[in-house]
Amino acid sequence: DVKVTQSSRYLVKRTGEKVFLECVQDMDHENMFWYRQDPGLGLRLIYFSYDVKMKEKGDIPEGYSVSREKKERFSLILESASTNQTSMYLCASSLLGSGSNYEQYFGPGTRLTVT
Amino acid sequence: AQSVTQLDSHVSVSEGTPVLLRCNYSSSYSPSLFWYVQHPNKGLQLLLKYTSAATLVKGINGFEAEFKKSETSFHLTKPSAHMSDAAEYFCVVTDTGFQKLVFGTGTRLLVSP
Repeated sequence: DVKVTQSSRYLVKRTGEKVFLECVQDMDHENMFWYRQDPGLGLRLIYFSYDVKMKEKGDIPEGYSVSREKKERFSLILESASTNQTSMYLCASSLLGSGSNYEQYFGPGTRLTVT
Repeated sequence: AQSVTQLDSHVSVSEGTPVLLRCNYSSSYSPSLFWYVQHPNKGLQLLLKYTSAATLVKGINGFEAEFKKSETSFHLTKPSAHMSDAAEYFCVVTDTGFQKLVFGTGTRLLVSP
């Protein structure tokens, strides 16, 4: 069965801390994604990776960076957490392909609170 | 740029009555379209997808959606709501290049007994 796991379900950090969110997929997918989800705004893409060590900015990359050293793992980094980064963070993966392969598989999410 | 508009932020129905969640899309090409569902404190799960085969698409749990190109719509329906259908639903379109998805803002479905 398809699986995307995220390192934490809930996380509380202080302003200015460096925060790492980890995501692992076991489906050998080329593409991996980080989104943040806020009420009334839906999901917004932060960063996207289509291969190891490759990354592309999404719609809201400011204040975030990413790392993909292995195909199955995609990390989101908040260099200096701020209160406006309090949100639900969702990781997803998909095959590099066409048609129904555009389907993305999601992890359970990490609810991050920055105080 | 591709976009989706979910016309209702909240929809309330009684158990056993039909469900209609509305979605309009904007795309400069023939897109793929999806509906995802998110139950409380859970990740997103694919409900159904349209990828230019049949225009009426059947999904899990009795949901279906019809792709109407002339109306640029992809509304989600279910004949009879169940309490377990209470969740947030997202209409999604593929972005240019087809590797990324563009999400609507979501519709929260409330089901009362």
